[in-house]
Amino acid sequence: DTEVTQTPKHLVMGMTNKKSLKCEQHMGHRAMYWYKQKAKKPPELMFVYSYEKLSINESVPSRFSPECPNSSLLNLHLHALQPEDSALYLCASSQEFIYRGLGNDQPQHFGDGTRLSIL
Amino acid sequence: GDSVTQMEGPVTLSEEAFLTINCTYTATGYPSLFWYVQYPGEGLQLLLKATKADDKGSNKGFEATYRKETTSFHLEKGSVQVSDSAVYFCALQRSGGYQKVTFGIGTKLQVIP
Repeated sequence: DTEVTQTPKHLVMGMTNKKSLKCEQHMGHRAMYWYKQKAKKPPELMFVYSYEKLSINESVPSRFSPECPNSSLLNLHLHALQPEDSALYLCASSQEFIYRGLGNDQPQHFGDGTRLSIL
Repeated sequence: GDSVTQMEGPVTLSEEAFLTINCTYTATGYPSLFWYVQYPGEGLQLLLKATKADDKGSNKGFEATYRKETTSFHLEKGSVQVSDSAVYFCALQRSGGYQKVTFGIGTKLQVIP
C-alpha cells in the first residue's frame, strides 16, 4: 500500500468545470510536491510546498491553483482547464525540500496519482 | 544544468534473462542517485539509491553502483521475472540547496514468459 493517498483516482471534467485533487500523507514529511506526467514521459514538477509554504512554482498556468491547508494535506484546484491538461497528476512527499543538513539522499514518496481527462 | 540520460526502450526480455538499463548523468557537486519504478496504473516507487561514489544500491535482486569516473548508475538484475515489467526511471538529486529531482526519460521493460 502506498503511504501517499490521492483522490480521486480518475476524474473527467469539462473545460468550464471547477474541481480539486487531494493528497494526504501521514509520514511527518514537511515537503510536498505536485507533478504532471504525460504518457511515456517522466514526471514534470509543478509545485513544491516546504513547511506549508509554496517554495517553487514551475511557471504553471494560473488555471492550476495549489493549496496546503496543513502539513499532511495538499490540494490542487482546477478551473477552466484545456484538453492538453489531460494527464496523470502525481503527488509526492519527502522529509524536507530545503537542505537543512539531513543530506540529499531522501527519496520522494509518490501516490498512485489522479488520471485526469478534459473533455 | 543537471541532466540524466537513459535508454528509451522498450526493452523486451525473456523470463530469467539478465537485465541492464544504462544511465549516465551530468551534475555539479555530488548528487545522490536513484532508480524509481512505475508499474502500470501506479505512481513511482523507490527501487534503490546510492549517495556517494562507489556505493552500491540494491533491492529485490536489482543492483546499481555509483560510478563517478564514468558518471554512470546502470541498473542490473541477474534474472528478471514477468512481474518486473514496468517503467524504470533513473534520477538524481543535487547536493545542498533545494532537493529537486531530475528524472531520466524512463525505460519500459517488458518481460515475456
